[in-house]
Amino acid sequence: GNSVTQMEGPVTLSEEAFLTINCTYTATGYPSLFWYVQYPGEGLQLLLKATKADDKGSNKGFEATYRKETTSFHLEKGSVQVSDSAVYFCALATGGFKTIFGAGTRLFVKA
Amino acid sequence: GAGVSQTPSNKVTEKGKYVELRCDPISGHTALYWYRQSLGQGPEFLIYFQGTGAADDSGLPNDRFFAVRPEGSVSTLKIQRTERGDSAVYLCASSLTGDPNTGELFFGEGSRLTVL
Repeated sequence: GNSVTQMEGPVTLSEEAFLTINCTYTATGYPSLFWYVQYPGEGLQLLLKATKADDKGSNKGFEATYRKETTSFHLEKGSVQVSDSAVYFCALATGGFKTIFGAGTRLFVKA
Repeated sequence: GAGVSQTPSNKVTEKGKYVELRCDPISGHTALYWYRQSLGQGPEFLIYFQGTGAADDSGLPNDRFFAVRPEGSVSTLKIQRTERGDSAVYLCASSLTGDPNTGELFFGEGSRLTVL
């Protein structure tokens, strides 16, 4: 079946450090891939997405590239800020209406 | 409000009781979803509405769970004879198109259910 696996957290970084959160997927067909973010006290919100192989999604300094050959969609940011502290969820959708989420990775950024 | 609204934000109940959780989606969004998020896990799909009808309820864990959307707007998730294992955060999301590839999901803050 379809599934998403992402690195376990928490991830703790100092401000201005480089961030990578790994995500791999298993899917039939050609899924669209997403990163959602949940800030403290708020609902999940879409951070970025990519709908086909080799597409790069980007938003707020975050990037992720859809790699079909490695079935991966790793999230990266060159310089994190304290305000990026949140839980990050990798997700996929396979042409229907269900979105399948990973378990989430909590990020703490220290000043 | 402009976003997805869920009430109550917190519900504590006793095993065996009946619970209703309400979701008010973004105005004009025809697609509505319920997800369940257990501690340390990602959201797990429960049910999807397109308009008034449940297009897919395959994620409902058993027949104690039921959801309605009678007028195509507000939805209520109903849980009968609650069990301790039902404790989780219940998330509602709405979307303009119903297709995650083209229509962004907008989530509410969730209703945290605790069954004692």
